[in-house]
Amino acid sequence: DAGVTQSPTHLIKTRGQHVTLRCSPISGHKSVSWYQQVLGQGPQFIFQYYEKEERGRGNFPDRFSARQFPNYSSELNVNALLLGDSALYLCASSLGTNTEAFFGQGTRLTVV
Amino acid sequence: GQQLNQSPQSMFIQEGEDVSMNCTSSSIFNTWLWYKQDPGEGPVLLIALYKAGELTSNGRLTAQFGITRKDSFLNISASIPSDVGIYFCAGQRRTGNQFYFGTGTSLTVIP
Repeated sequence: DAGVTQSPTHLIKTRGQHVTLRCSPISGHKSVSWYQQVLGQGPQFIFQYYEKEERGRGNFPDRFSARQFPNYSSELNVNALLLGDSALYLCASSLGTNTEAFFGQGTRLTVV
Repeated sequence: GQQLNQSPQSMFIQEGEDVSMNCTSSSIFNTWLWYKQDPGEGPVLLIALYKAGELTSNGRLTAQFGITRKDSFLNISASIPSDVGIYFCAGQRRTGNQFYFGTGTSLTVIP
């Protein structure tokens, strides 16, 4: 069985641009969460989606948005990129909202 | 925001030694997870704990859900070189769906 897949694996953007990151959860999992991990720190929660509805939002600006599709895949969008948005963006898949989360390999975003 | 404190921050041990690390919180959690992360990769789930006092093993790894529900512990027995990496704890409260991650423990195993 495929695990959590994220695309792209690496991305370089310039300040002010927009970026879309994609995630496909484990088959049968209905919940997708997004985390931001800056170098040297633990992941920080951005969003959780379950059955296409937002179930949680972390302390991130409105430039960050996400959605979940009928096939449970998800997109994370970030507008007006800042240098400080450079990080590893992780997608986590889980059966429900309160069960263990399995992570993808992440998308390394560099903003220059 | 919620902070989970992990200790030690880093460890340098000889191959074959046992390792202990812990994670403490100012809040009560209903779920504790332990992950291992290699450079440039996503965290890999090692152990999940759902009940206060629960002791769960996964091979050479053993984790415990603290009785106070504000802490958790991870032990690795007979360490090997492939145990090298950063270990993160993560906790989830009864209300709310996010997992709060610890600051990480970096483990180096010297052959």
